[in-house]
Amino acid sequence: QSALTQPASVSGSPGQSITISCTGTSSDVGGYNYVSWFQQHPGKAPKLMIYDVGERPSGVPDRFSGSKSGNTASLTISGLQAEDEADYYCCSYAGTYTWVFGGGTKLTVL
Amino acid sequence: EVQLLESGGGLVQPGGSLRLSCAASGFTFSSYATSWVRQAPGKGLEWVSVISGTGGSTYYADSVKGRFTISRDNSKNALYLQVNSLRAEDTAVYYCAKAGSTGWSKGNAFDIWGQGTMVTVSS
Repeated sequence: QSALTQPASVSGSPGQSITISCTGTSSDVGGYNYVSWFQQHPGKAPKLMIYDVGERPSGVPDRFSGSKSGNTASLTISGLQAEDEADYYCCSYAGTYTWVFGGGTKLTVL
Repeated sequence: EVQLLESGGGLVQPGGSLRLSCAASGFTFSSYATSWVRQAPGKGLEWVSVISGTGGSTYYADSVKGRFTISRDNSKNALYLQVNSLRAEDTAVYYCAKAGSTGWSKGNAFDIWGQGTMVTVSS
């Protein structure tokens, strides 16, 4: 149950697009189409942004999109806005009803 | 409105125990698997444990297996986490989270989260 690998930080200017990667193994990310992404603002609970690799819950802007290739999943945020500044975590099903999270990525909107 | 509200955290000495609770409202609690996820201060998220909607199946992260016990009382719309033999590394905010659909919902296991309850293990 090793944590998935995410970049520690990414940044972008308002209106730009950024992508956060999430690398695992064939036992988690690569083995299942069960990747989700969470946004967490300081002092707040995480919020689901993407599930099942690329599905958006109702209420999440379509600026947020998810994808996967092999053992790496990605979250893309287009048209960056100031309120997107937060920590982002990926999560993958890892078999036998266990889940593993990434270490988190701090997004800075310049 | 779907809500989850954790309680029961606090300061406990190493080797001590606590019982965390999570009160659910706004949905048919017994239909959804529910998990505990924790976050150490300044650190990332760590999945801890999950329980099926009926309570008949439970699973744990290796880091807590044998020390933590997840349970639920569907008549009270409540989820619990009994945490024993606590260590300093168990210090964290503990969140409960429900699955996004009925059944196990492997790809959407953490749809709605509570606000968390802080557990501090220190002498």
